[in-house]
Amino acid sequence: QVELVESGGGVVQPGRSLRLSCAASGFTFSDHDMHWVRQAPGKGLEWVAVIYFDDSAKYYADSVKARFTVSRDNSKNTLYLQMNSLRVEDTAVYYCARNYRGLIDPFGMDVWGQGTTVTVSS
Amino acid sequence: DIQLTQSPSFLSASVGDRVTITCRASQGISSYLAWYQQKPGKAPKLLIYATSTLQSGVPSRFSGSGSGTEFILTISSLQPDDFASYYCQQLNTYPLVAFGGGTKVEIK
Repeated sequence: QVELVESGGGVVQPGRSLRLSCAASGFTFSDHDMHWVRQAPGKGLEWVAVIYFDDSAKYYADSVKARFTVSRDNSKNTLYLQMNSLRVEDTAVYYCARNYRGLIDPFGMDVWGQGTTVTVSS
Repeated sequence: DIQLTQSPSFLSASVGDRVTITCRASQGISSYLAWYQQKPGKAPKLLIYATSTLQSGVPSRFSGSGSGTEFILTISSLQPDDFASYYCQQLNTYPLVAFGGGTKVEIK
């Protein structure tokens, strides 16, 4: 079945780094743009980053720009999020999500992982 | 940046009630709006895309409407499984997208 499984979360001190992974299965990974979305404790959803299906472009939320890097390995069906210079306010559950689109128009995110928790604390 | 404002942020309702949630955009987003449902401890689930198209498997009691800057999610008859948080998302500026602040629907 179609599935996304995140890993790599944990507790890290401010200023340190962490890399999240998202393993995809059950669909042609290389056909889809992929997103990272996070949710701080008790808060709403915040879009973090997107990478195009062919790795031709990447975009970031202002809150993580220059600190986070999204990447993918289509040969391994895996999405990554390298998080550097972590801050307390980066504490959240991080979800990877598959982009869903029509012929041209973006529709939303139709497949989500279960999430991985990142806690930034001294 | 386009901001999305959802109202109300909290809603208390009974089983069988008709519920409406509004999402207002700071500028026009055509019909590029999606709605998600999220239950505690779970990932969000896509309910509606392109303002009014139900995702496969979503019950017909859910519907979406609107255009431009004002959008509405309606649940025609609230069921026990519907108590959750709901988020709108704009995709007009894809690949840069944004979510609304959310609406929590609780049991009265």
